[in-house]
Amino acid sequence: DAGVIQSPRHEVTEMGQEVTLRCKPISGHNSLFWYRQTMMRGLELLIYFNNNVPIDDSGMPEDRFSAKMPNASFSTLKIQPSEPRDSAVYFCASSLDLGRAKGNEQFFGPGTRLTVL
Amino acid sequence: SQQGEEDPQALSIQEGENATMNCSYKTSINNLQWYRQNSGRGLVHLILIRSNEREKHSGRLRVTLDTSKKSSSLLITASRAADTASYFCATDAGNTDKLIFGTGTRLQVFP
Repeated sequence: DAGVIQSPRHEVTEMGQEVTLRCKPISGHNSLFWYRQTMMRGLELLIYFNNNVPIDDSGMPEDRFSAKMPNASFSTLKIQPSEPRDSAVYFCASSLDLGRAKGNEQFFGPGTRLTVL
Repeated sequence: SQQGEEDPQALSIQEGENATMNCSYKTSINNLQWYRQNSGRGLVHLILIRSNEREKHSGRLRVTLDTSKKSSSLLITASRAADTASYFCATDAGNTDKLIFGTGTRLQVFP
C-alpha cells in the first residue's frame, strides 16, 4: 500500500484565497483525521471522520475551515478565505477502527506545508 | 487542550547512550501510544501500551506505564544518529476515537 497520500505537498497562497487540501487514506481504513501542526500550538486535531461521517469537529478553528469526506477514499480540507495565521503543516491520518479498548494506530501522510502570505 | 506533556522538551545525547523521555497525562486512558516524527515528515507509530500493561518492549524501545501517576516513559537504548527526531505520546480521549498528542520531545543524537 502507498500509505496515506496528501496533496499538494506545499502550497503558497495569498491572504483571502481559497485553499483546498486533499487526502487519500489507506485502503480499508475507516477513520480519517485532519491535524494542524505549528511551533506555537503543536499538533492539533481539527476534525475526524468515521465511515465517512464527521464525528468530532470541535477542533476546527472557525467557519473558514470546512472538511468533507464524500467517499471512503477521499477527503478534503478547505480554508476560505485563508489568512496568514493559517500557515502551518496540515496532516491527514487514517486508522482501522478496532475499538478503543484495543487502541487504534494512526498512519500519517507526509503533510501539506501551507504558507499564506 | 493537550492531554499529554512530554519531558524534557529537548534532549541531546551521544550515539550509544540511552535516551529517556517522559509523558504525563490528565485523564484515565484505555491505552497510550508513542510516535516518532522525523523533520519534515509525518508521525510514525512506534508502540502501544494498554492501561493494564506496565511495560512493553519493541527492539531498542522500552515503554513503561504507571496509571496511578498518569505517566509513561519511553527509553531508547544504544541510541543512533538515525534516532534523531521528535517523539510524541498520544492518549485516547475518553469515549471518543480520537487521540490527543503531547507536546513532544526533540531528541538529537550526535555521532
